[in-house]
Amino acid sequence: DSGVTQTPKHLITATGQRVTLRCSPRSGDLSVYWYQQSLDQGLQFLIHYYNGEERAKGNILERFSAQQFPDLHSELNLSSLELGDSALYFCASSPPYDSGNTIYFGEGSWLTVV
Amino acid sequence: AQSVTQLGSHVSVSEGALVLLRCNYSSSVPPYLFWYVQYPNQGLQLLLKYTTGATLVKGINGFEAEFKKSETSFHLTKPSAHMSDAAEYFCAVSLPSGVYNKLIFGAGTRLAVHP
Repeated sequence: DSGVTQTPKHLITATGQRVTLRCSPRSGDLSVYWYQQSLDQGLQFLIHYYNGEERAKGNILERFSAQQFPDLHSELNLSSLELGDSALYFCASSPPYDSGNTIYFGEGSWLTVV
Repeated sequence: AQSVTQLGSHVSVSEGALVLLRCNYSSSVPPYLFWYVQYPNQGLQLLLKYTTGATLVKGINGFEAEFKKSETSFHLTKPSAHMSDAAEYFCAVSLPSGVYNKLIFGAGTRLAVHP
């Protein structure tokens, strides 16, 4: 158990809908990352938040947005869902002063768009 | 820009045989390198990492990897495969501490271990 908690574990929704994925980082971690894992794209970095501020953006679609709240939990919002958005979405966190850049991953949220 | 190439999307070995999973990286500055393992229906677990210092890094479950700057490689090895090693393995690179430390992953190598 990495200490990173993601909910829901599984989600099935229809095209055009909107979903929210939630992540609680490890205690004390200020950074939260979101990754998407799909068969065709592999593991893709989406976005990084540090202590509530967006720090880096990767291959995140405009239909997707994220935020990190004062209590450091994060939400990834996916809207106007398409079949191709079906994937495993990982949240990860890292401690603020880890010189080794270790990132700890949650178990992921499986999203199926039908 | 950084990138990671994992040679071989599927590797199959016999139980007790040597495991060798290949990873080559590209980075404009000396990177930090990682191997993660993903068991079926689970998240990513850190196996080992290289930051600085000794180039041979030992990780969990008997795995080790050697950083070879001249070859831009960070291959993962295990002397004797066990059935429980069957999983997908990901090599990843990040910039050193002090910059935004997002991980860039390779495409992964699925390891199968047969009796």
